[in-house]
Amino acid sequence: GEDVEQSLFLSVREGDSSVINCTYTDSSSTYLYWYKQEPGAGLQLLTYIFSNMDMKQDQRLTVLLNKKDKHLSLRIADTQTGDSAIYFCAESSRNTGGFKTIFGAGTRLFVKA
Amino acid sequence: KAGVTQTPRYLIKTRGQQVTLSCSPISGHRSVSWYQQTPGQGLQFLFEYFSETQRNKGNFPGRFSGRQFSNSRSEMNVSTLELGDSALYLCASSPQADTQYFGPGTRLTVL
Repeated sequence: GEDVEQSLFLSVREGDSSVINCTYTDSSSTYLYWYKQEPGAGLQLLTYIFSNMDMKQDQRLTVLLNKKDKHLSLRIADTQTGDSAIYFCAESSRNTGGFKTIFGAGTRLFVKA
Repeated sequence: KAGVTQTPRYLIKTRGQQVTLSCSPISGHRSVSWYQQTPGQGLQFLFEYFSETQRNKGNFPGRFSGRQFSNSRSEMNVSTLELGDSALYLCASSPQADTQYFGPGTRLTVL
């Protein structure tokens, strides 16, 4: 079945760039997403990319998509302590019942001051 | 626009009881999805409703059920609660179940 995989932890120093990686298996993915979850909160949609795009930039966030390798990455420039959170990768594909979204297990980002 | 709201935010129940959680989607969104989040299993899809019809369902026992009303508000019900049902239950709304916007969640503790 479809699967989304992410590394579980990433630690960076404040001011450095963070790169969170994700691989997925569904070749019919339509949308790919990055969500952020802070302690005790729901998931916040950070950004998303259509499967026919290679890159999307939004302020400090850059999303790169390699559709051939089914690899998605999120780069956070000038990482701040407030970026410490769990980041979820997700992919969405259309099925007969509408859309189906699969989430990864999440990558916990630690930002050291 | 107001975001997704979920009530209650916190709930404590005992084994064997039942519980109903509520979700109000973003105005204009017709799709509501429910997820269970636990430390061990991560984010697991429960079901998705669109225009009062269940379109997709995850692999959960029949104790977990849901419904959607004509105003797109949704409720999920868990009957005969078990200790393992303790989790954060997240609701997400979407125009078409593609890009989902999440609520803050309801934290359920089963004692």
